[in-house]
Amino acid sequence: QQQVRQSSQSLTVWEGETAILNCSYENSAFDYFPWYQQFPGEGPALLIAIRSVSDKKEDGRFTIFFNKREKNLSLHIKDSQPGDSATYFCAASRASGSWQLIFGSGTQLTVMP
Amino acid sequence: DTTVKQNPRYKLARVGKPVNLICSQTMNHDTMYWYQKKPNQAPKLLLFYYDKILNREADTFEKFQSSRPNNSFCSLYIGSAGLEYSAMYLCASSRGRAEVFFGKGTRLTVV
Repeated sequence: QQQVRQSSQSLTVWEGETAILNCSYENSAFDYFPWYQQFPGEGPALLIAIRSVSDKKEDGRFTIFFNKREKNLSLHIKDSQPGDSATYFCAASRASGSWQLIFGSGTQLTVMP
Repeated sequence: DTTVKQNPRYKLARVGKPVNLICSQTMNHDTMYWYQKKPNQAPKLLLFYYDKILNREADTFEKFQSSRPNNSFCSLYIGSAGLEYSAMYLCASSRGRAEVFFGKGTRLTVV
């Protein structure tokens, strides 16, 4: 049973549009939700993260919207650029006990020029 | 330097033969992880070291072994490779719950 689910395997947007990547989770004990960005030939790298006490986290063009009641979150990439084309992984970890990251299967974003 | 280095980047192995993958980091991180990534699947945590203590996931307990001879190095060992082991293997490290840094991965192909 997948604990972290990303609804879209792939997403294509035009340059300048807002890309929205969705993620949901099952374990209400999760309290930390990072998004990782991975380019071909590279390892995943932390892009932005949110804790469950917040409902929004913004960093430049990247914003996470978090809904604790619905157990879902989304990553919004404003003014998408071709250089944003990558695979984005949603992940989650717990506040106590085993803190290891549980990943979703990723969304491959393509930004068309 | 926030680099996690993995060697080799590509590995070809025969069915039934052992495989040893190597990872290193110089960030003095106390925790090192190994993930397995197959196409269109989530990275799956195989095991991790917290300091010298090895923790293996229940469903991969017997399939993978690991050693951490010092703080900087960690290996992943497969005693007898099967076709189902073909995957990307990602090593990562962190200081406790802080940011997790990933290597570029080793692509293992078992034939």
